[in-house]
Amino acid sequence: DTGVSQDPRHKITKRGQNVTFRCDPISEHNRLYWYRQTLGQGPEFLTYFQNEAQLEKSRLLSDRFSAERPKGSFSTLEIQRTEQGDSAMYLCASSLGTFQGVGGYTFGSGTRLTVV
Amino acid sequence: AQSVAQPEDQVNVAEGNPLTVKCTYSVSGNPYLFWYVQYPNRGLQFLLKYITGDNLVKGSYGFEAEFNKSQTSFHLKKPSALVSDSALYFCAVRDPRNTGKLIFGQGTTLQVKP
Repeated sequence: DTGVSQDPRHKITKRGQNVTFRCDPISEHNRLYWYRQTLGQGPEFLTYFQNEAQLEKSRLLSDRFSAERPKGSFSTLEIQRTEQGDSAMYLCASSLGTFQGVGGYTFGSGTRLTVV
Repeated sequence: AQSVAQPEDQVNVAEGNPLTVKCTYSVSGNPYLFWYVQYPNRGLQFLLKYITGDNLVKGSYGFEAEFNKSQTSFHLKKPSALVSDSALYFCAVRDPRNTGKLIFGQGTTLQVKP
């Protein structure tokens, strides 16, 4: 599989629970990105990694959110004490280097989170 | 502030007719512009990008986009629409302050009717 994989595809959780999502990027891609998309809106940037280093975090990423990319391969996004406002599609993408050299990001199919 | 606007929530076009999906941007410096398409319950698929060079950019599935610096626009076009082109289309611009971040418009739903 040469695409970006995200797991799980869907997650329903009760408010207050913790959830963790996983993203497996294209193997040779050194950059990995997390975005959040709510209904009727475009994706909003959350954070990105270059190899294992987290280079940027959006203000949208509250203290309840944490992302890791150990060893510069897969990444996890954890949300602690989920709230109903966290319900969204969480998209992962990867790329090789800067935009000049690549066709853009390759996105995964996303993880749809529903907090009840 | 850097931003992207897609002024139409929905565009309707008959199959075989040309289509245009509009995008305008506001960014400091030279813009890096992108178009993505999203099918239901799927991630975004890259269509095309403008970094530099020719103002007319050709991309996947017969789509093209025209960069117009004076009008700060990057409209997506296709000469002959297909029913299978029906989807949600997003325009995006790279945040010049952060090379890792794309700023997306709110999206335009394209409906192509047979």
